[in-house]
Amino acid sequence: SQQGEEDPQALSIQEGENATMNCSYKTSINNLQWYRQNSGRGLVHLILIRSNEREKHSGRLRVTLDTSKKSSSLLITASRAADTASYFCATDAGANSKLTFGKGITLSVRP
Amino acid sequence: GAGVSQSPSNKVTEKGKDVELRCDPISGHTALYWYRQSLGQGLEFLIYFQGNSAPDKSGLPSDRFSAERTGGSVSTLTIQRTQQEDSAVYLCASRRTAYNEQFFGPGTRLTVL
Repeated sequence: SQQGEEDPQALSIQEGENATMNCSYKTSINNLQWYRQNSGRGLVHLILIRSNEREKHSGRLRVTLDTSKKSSSLLITASRAADTASYFCATDAGANSKLTFGKGITLSVRP
Repeated sequence: GAGVSQSPSNKVTEKGKDVELRCDPISGHTALYWYRQSLGQGLEFLIYFQGNSAPDKSGLPSDRFSAERTGGSVSTLTIQRTQQEDSAVYLCASRRTAYNEQFFGPGTRLTVL
């Protein structure tokens, strides 16, 4: 079953602009992770934010977590054409740390 | 190795045949996961291995699906009597410690004709 729900489902922006993607989830979590997927194959881990953290940065990425609203956002600043991909949020909510994924957001960055 | 590897990268099979998919996790990673990604269902958890503990098979969709992990390293996912709805990309992931990021392999794209 899907826990995370991302929005928008698709996003098209111009190179250099910022991209903001949102994710909502339903249950308490250990952490929330964002992944990128190119061409429908392997997932690349981008960033992990723990349930006791509110904001985290990694290079051009900024992720926030609001556990009271059960939501997270991923901001990609100064986007590049190479950022074109599908982005997924995934929640780690149980003892086994199995991930529950949202349906993904398709980001297109126009050169 | 440097990352999680999976083989084959693509597999085309006929309905009713059995298939085996292989995953080599990152050396030293004790936890291994299988996920499936299909158009209709998105990314779904299938099975989880942790050390010598009994695997968590709660995500396996039917008894035609099974998996094993030998020697705490390589894992094989077996699908018996494949059906067309089994067509998907099967992804393997491993992690070193609990509550940390999982590292994914490139996946095996399974097509059942």
